[in-house]
Amino acid sequence: EAQVTQNPRYLITVTGKKLTVTCSQNMNHEYMSWYRQDPGLGLRQIYYSMNVEVTDKGDVPEGYKVSRKEKRNFPLILESPSPNQTSLYFCASTNGRANTGELFFGEGSRLTVL
Amino acid sequence: AQKITQTQPGMFVQEKEAVTLDCTYDTSDPSYGLFWYKQPSSGEMIFLIYQGSYDQQNATEGRYSLNFQKARKSANLVISASQLGDSAMYFCAMREGRGTGRRALTFGSGTRLQVQP
Repeated sequence: EAQVTQNPRYLITVTGKKLTVTCSQNMNHEYMSWYRQDPGLGLRQIYYSMNVEVTDKGDVPEGYKVSRKEKRNFPLILESPSPNQTSLYFCASTNGRANTGELFFGEGSRLTVL
Repeated sequence: AQKITQTQPGMFVQEKEAVTLDCTYDTSDPSYGLFWYKQPSSGEMIFLIYQGSYDQQNATEGRYSLNFQKARKSANLVISASQLGDSAMYFCAMREGRGTGRRALTFGSGTRLQVQP
């Protein structure tokens, strides 16, 4: 089954404690990205990756890091989480086509930073 | 200016009736794509329908159709014969540019649809 898998699905942590949200896709997609969803704001792109070892900032990259060492994995790293990073996070991937490529989303990771 | 505007924070519809969810967009790029996603209470994002800026016909997918009015920059989602399972948050989104690396979707703030029996 084609899917994007995120872990953990739910996490409560404290300010400053480093955490990583993993993302893996089994569709051999070159493109992967991270979004965060906040009430009234829809989803906003954090980082994206066009291929292995190629990453770049999205609209709201501050406080986040990513890496793309393998095609299937695209972890999101919060080196020193703060309460304003409490949000619902989505990983997404798509194939090489341009405008029409549907974004396949993971199930989301709900993060609370105390 | 907001790139995607959804002016209806919440909507109610009776089961089996049709409902239109509004979406307007703003772009100067001649090449763009418009998407609708459904987010049920469980949280996942479900792709519903896509319309390309150069597509001549309105997109349809089962009970979903997209009323694309390019001159007015609107891309309203029409759900026919509403079902209780259609109760969810609905997001309109746009991707600009042909083959741009970011391929970011810009999302609206969403419309919460409740289908009443």
